[in-house]
Amino acid sequence: QKEVEQNSGPLSVPEGAIASLNCTYSDRGSQSFFWYRQYSGKSPELIMFIYSNGDKEDGRFTAQLNKASQYVSLLIRDSQPSDSATYLCAVKATGRRALTFGSGTRLQVQP
Amino acid sequence: DAGVIQSPRHEVTEMGQEVTLRCKPISGHDYLFWYRQTMMRGLELLIYFNNNVPIDDSGMPEDRFSAKMPNASFSTLKIQPSEPRDSAVYFCASSPTTRRADYEQYFGPGTRLTVT
Repeated sequence: QKEVEQNSGPLSVPEGAIASLNCTYSDRGSQSFFWYRQYSGKSPELIMFIYSNGDKEDGRFTAQLNKASQYVSLLIRDSQPSDSATYLCAVKATGRRALTFGSGTRLQVQP
Repeated sequence: DAGVIQSPRHEVTEMGQEVTLRCKPISGHDYLFWYRQTMMRGLELLIYFNNNVPIDDSGMPEDRFSAKMPNASFSTLKIQPSEPRDSAVYFCASSPTTRRADYEQYFGPGTRLTVT
């Protein structure tokens, strides 16, 4: 079992819809959770982080964390074609500096 | 701020040759990370440094790979000899020292390595 699992997609949604991206992790000692966006041929860029159970909202993005169930999700409201990218979930374990990344979910927003 | 700088951006080499990838972290960042990204394995941590000292190299695939950080502004990742399976995009990232849980790793543009 991979430490961080994501559905590879592609996840296709129409413009204006809500895109829901999910991630599960195996290490119960995980402390912080990050969502990175990666456009094709580019480097990953951080869009959200969360470390407390519940929801965290930032503009059109909402991160949700459930430590008991070991999953973290990202909701993108009012999806735009410019949101089309691969979304990487990353997890940081307590006491460890490095991140463990999932393989990413490719999102396609259809105009 | 120029961000994390990597060179070269593209490297094509023949199997058996030595390859050296270079990284300049963001000034003032105490952590430097080397990652490798492939379609099959995703983004994998190879090694990371804190204050120029290697902290975790458990991700380095084998002895053909070595990394150094001689000073706070420069790091190298060397592959000798290179093999076709080393073909990937290699990212360098840096982050500042912080006790906060929400620290960010800033990624460089990557080096696309092709070994023929």
